[in-house]
Amino acid sequence: GESVGLHLPTLSVQEGDNSIINCAYSNSASDYFIWYKQESGKGPQFIIDIRSNMDKRQGQRVTVLLNKTVKHLSLQIAATQPGDSAVYFCAEGGSYIPTFGRGTSLIVHP
Amino acid sequence: EPEVTQTPSHQVTQMGQEVILRCVPISNHLYFYWYRQILGQKVEFLVSFYNNEISEKSEIFDDQFSVERPDGSNFTLKIRSTKLEDSAMYFCASIAGVTDTQYFGPGTRLTVL
Repeated sequence: GESVGLHLPTLSVQEGDNSIINCAYSNSASDYFIWYKQESGKGPQFIIDIRSNMDKRQGQRVTVLLNKTVKHLSLQIAATQPGDSAVYFCAEGGSYIPTFGRGTSLIVHP
Repeated sequence: EPEVTQTPSHQVTQMGQEVILRCVPISNHLYFYWYRQILGQKVEFLVSFYNNEISEKSEIFDDQFSVERPDGSNFTLKIRSTKLEDSAMYFCASIAGVTDTQYFGPGTRLTVL
C-alpha cells in the first residue's frame, strides 16, 4: 500500500484476479477522498471518490473502502485486466485541491 | 467526450529562459488548475483560478510563476526564468463547478537544460 507522500510500491497480479491497492492518510479532518489512475504519458484520470460520511462506494468493477478509524482507504478492482495497468493515486481533497500520494504501480500480467 | 488539451506536449528550454505552457480547458468549465509532477514523484498542486483571478496557490507557485486566461478558451502558465528544478510534467485541470470532478489534460513535459 501507500501513504500520502511516501515511496512508490508495486502490485503485480494476474489477469482476472482481484486487485487491492491501499492508501493511508494523515489528516483526520479530511472529508473527501479520490482515486486516480495515471497511465504512462497521460494525466491523472478520475476513477472514484468517497466522502467521509460513507465507508464504501462502488463503481464499475471498482470499490473504494474508507476506514476513518485507522485513516485508511483502499481501491478494489475486480477481474483485473491488462488495461488496468497504471499508477493509482489516492488523494485527499477536502477543498477540491487534492493532495496526492505518490501512487502504487499496478502491473497486470496476461 | 470533451477533454482538456495542453500544448506543447514537450518543451525543452535553457535555464533562465521564459516558457509559457498552454491549456484549453473543457469549454463550460469555470475552475482551472495547474499541477506539476517531477519524475517519479507525486503530483503537486500549483495554483487554482476562478473568475479571472487566482483562488489558491501553493508554496511552489512563487513570483517566477504566473497564470493567465487571455481569452475565453486558453489558460496559460508562465515561468519567467526557468531553473533546472522546474523540469517536470505540468498538468492542467478544469472542473465545471466546485463540487465536480477534475478533468486533467495529458500534460506538458518541461525539460530545463
